[in-house]
Amino acid sequence: GAVVSQHPSWVICKSGTSVKIECRSLDFQATTMFWYRQFPKQSLMLMATSNEGSKATYEQGVEKDKFLINHASLTLSTLTVTSAHPEDSSFYICSAREISSGDYNEQFFGPGTRLTVL
Amino acid sequence: GQNIDQPTEMTATEGAIVQINCTYQTSGFNGLFWYQQHAGEAPTFLSYNVLDGLEEKGRFSSFLSRSKGYSYLLLKELQMKDSASYLCASLDSNYQLIWGAGTKLIIKP
Repeated sequence: GAVVSQHPSWVICKSGTSVKIECRSLDFQATTMFWYRQFPKQSLMLMATSNEGSKATYEQGVEKDKFLINHASLTLSTLTVTSAHPEDSSFYICSAREISSGDYNEQFFGPGTRLTVL
Repeated sequence: GQNIDQPTEMTATEGAIVQINCTYQTSGFNGLFWYQQHAGEAPTFLSYNVLDGLEEKGRFSSFLSRSKGYSYLLLKELQMKDSASYLCASLDSNYQLIWGAGTKLIIKP
């Protein structure tokens, strides 16, 4: 199956700093990438949908100025958590949807990035 | 509104069979996914149903009834490694995944 990578796998940062997370589709081109956040013992929460070459669409309640998303190419999307605070500590997961995946519209998930803000 | 319901937690015995149910109400419907998620890891794809009926894939099977807004994931010959959360997700009219909260499955020896 298709492979999606995320970098870094985990990061610890001080409050007030910014953190950038990269999501790459390694063996396919992704028209759309999704960014999710998952708090302990909760389900995935969609933060934003990112389309290559256009602005991301943010879900209600997600601050676009705090969570900057850049989908620069068909294989790379980045999420920058600006001025991170302890409440931003979470598991961030990206997924990518292939350009041509038939009827499936399957999303392929990256391994996730665990962010801890001190 | 959009809603996905599945049990919070289930317990089963190694070697047995377990069925995890999911009911959904979404704006439009383009299929139902089941994912497995081990603690601290990203979800991995298990199955996709868009037509009514049962799809079998090894020890795992998934069933869909569109008229009832209902799906289940059936796991046979349970192994300890099957202990995980199982997420039900519906693909709505905008091809966006609407996620359930997940069912934590505990396997006992």
